[in-house]
Parts: sequence; structure tokens; C-alpha cells
Amino acid sequence: ETGVTQTPRHLVMGMTNKKSLKCEQHLGHNAMYWYKQSAKKPLELMFVYNFKEQTENNSVPSRFSPECPNSSHLFLHLHTLQPEDSALYLCASSQAWGTGELFFGEGSRLTVL
Amino acid sequence: AQSVTQLDSQVPVFEEAPVELRCNYSSSVSVYLFWYVQYPNQGLQLLLKYLSGSTLVKGINGFEAEFNKSQTSFHLRKPSVHISDTAEYFCAVSDNKAAGNKLTFGGGTRVLVKP
Repeated sequence: ETGVTQTPRHLVMGMTNKKSLKCEQHLGHNAMYWYKQSAKKPLELMFVYNFKEQTENNSVPSRFSPECPNSSHLFLHLHTLQPEDSALYLCASSQAWGTGELFFGEGSRLTVL
Repeated sequence: AQSVTQLDSQVPVFEEAPVELRCNYSSSVSVYLFWYVQYPNQGLQLLLKYLSGSTLVKGINGFEAEFNKSQTSFHLRKPSVHISDTAEYFCAVSDNKAAGNKLTFGGGTRVLVKP
């Protein structure tokens, strides 16, 4: 098993669809992160969960809804997205919030039509 | 507030030639600096980091970077690149010694190594 696994790798959805991105880490970490990577823009931190509690929400629109049922799994629920939400969504984990190196997954490429 | 500027969005370079990727930062507090690499269709991987001590930091795959406090820079270098170094490179800064804290990333530099 690789350290941080994201599924699906590619997702195409319409603006009225509801879909979810999944992230799983096998590193025994306690902090998990969602980042957004758009073309020609720096990586943007979206959410941070530390020991299953959300510690950061960087003014992300409510059409993105994170869920962290346990320290190994992180979801990003998507609904009524806009075309400008098309991007690569990267999941990462670390030992804990404020501790340890970030380990990234390979990302989920989202296209909103 | 912190910010990171990567001055070159793209750097073409021939195989076995040296490469330098420039990174400048601004911060009002102590900084900790990182370089990440993203190979095509992959996530980010830590190349090296500066937390304290020697200002010359060596990382994986033959890369090194030098922290220059007076010039607020953390440029990345490799003396001889390979085709496999084709990737996007990101400089990042944190105000916390632990990488798991909030990182501010630069816009990235895309390196294309030509045969």
C-alpha cells in the first residue's frame, strides 16, 4: 500500500451532480489535509483535520464539504460545483497538525462541466 | 503574513547542464523553508528543507539549496540534471518549525530537461 491513496484519480461531473473524493493514509498519521491546485495558481490549503477535528477552513465555499470519520480517512463531498472549481485536489497527511513532514497523495483531477 | 515568489515559471535546460531555481520569500517572523517536487501525474514530494543550522541544505536526487537570510532567498540547484528531473518544483515557507503546519507555497517552476 502506498502512503496516501486518493480515489478517484479523475472525475468529471456536471454542476448539479453530487460526488465525493476519498483519501486514505496508511502512515499512522493524525493530521490530514485537502489542498487545491489550479493552473497558474499556488497551492491553496482548504481544510485541515487533526485527530479527526477540523482545525482549519480557509474560507472554502460551502459547496465543498469535508468529512473525517477517523484519522486514516478523509473525504471531500462535492455538490453544485462551478466550472472554476475544476482543479487537482491533493490530499496530504502528517504526524499531527504542527508536527512532521507532509506526505501527499497523487491527487484527484476534477473537471466540472 | 508570509509570501513566496518563484521568479521563473518555466526553466528549459539541457541534460547534464546545471540548473538553478529561484525562490524569494517574505516573512515577519522566523522562517522554515522547503522545496517540493511534483513529477507528472503525481503528488508532491519533499526534496529538502531548512529548519536551522547550516545554510546549505542537501536533499534527495542530488539537489541542494542555500538559505540566504539577507537576501531572503532559498534557491535550489543541481549541478547536472537528468531527463528524469523534468517536473514542477515548489518552494514553500512556514513560520513553524514543523512542516505539518500551514505552508505557503510559491507558484511553482516547471523544469523541462531536454536531451
